[in-house]
Amino acid sequence: QKEVEQDPGPLSVPEGAIVSLNCTYSNSAFQYFMWYRQYSRKGPELLMYTYSSGNKEDGRFTAQVDKSSKYISLFIRDSQPSDSATYLCAMSDDTGFQKLVFGTGTRLLVSP
Amino acid sequence: DTGVSQDPRHKITKRGQNVTFRCDPISEHNRLYWYRQTLGQGPEFLTYFQNEAQLEKSRLLSDRFSAERPKGSFSTLEIQRTEQGDSAMYLCASSLPQQETQYFGPGTRLLVL
Repeated sequence: QKEVEQDPGPLSVPEGAIVSLNCTYSNSAFQYFMWYRQYSRKGPELLMYTYSSGNKEDGRFTAQVDKSSKYISLFIRDSQPSDSATYLCAMSDDTGFQKLVFGTGTRLLVSP
Repeated sequence: DTGVSQDPRHKITKRGQNVTFRCDPISEHNRLYWYRQTLGQGPEFLTYFQNEAQLEKSRLLSDRFSAERPKGSFSTLEIQRTEQGDSAMYLCASSLPQQETQYFGPGTRLLVL
């Protein structure tokens, strides 16, 4: 079993839809949670960062962390065709250096 | 552009050849990471530098792989005697001390024929 599980998709939605992307994890030591967006053949781009449990909002994006369930989510409101990309969740523990453990990524397709 | 840069962006080589990739981190970022990403997978951690010291290496980093960061600035990743299984995107990331967020470069896509 992988430390971080993520549905690979693809997830297809119409423009304007609310998108929900999720990851589950098994390592209870994870404290830092990130979402990256990766366009085809590009490097990952940091979208959201959350420490421990709770919610964080940035524009159309909301990240949620539920450590009791070992479950994290990214919500995208008013999705746009330009949001079409692969979304990677990543997390790290508190060992002092931040090796990120990634999910496999969910491919999102937003159609006009 | 003040982001992480990597060179080359693409590399095609024949099995058995040696290849070297370069990463220039964001200036003032003393932490530098290498990851490998294969098709349909998320990046996997390879190794980590704090300044010039290599502090952590993954089991994925076989003895054919070596990474250096002389003077704590740019880093190189060398793969000796390449194998077809080495075909992947090699990503470099950097971060500030005491900061958990890592910023990635565009990657070097390696194809071993």
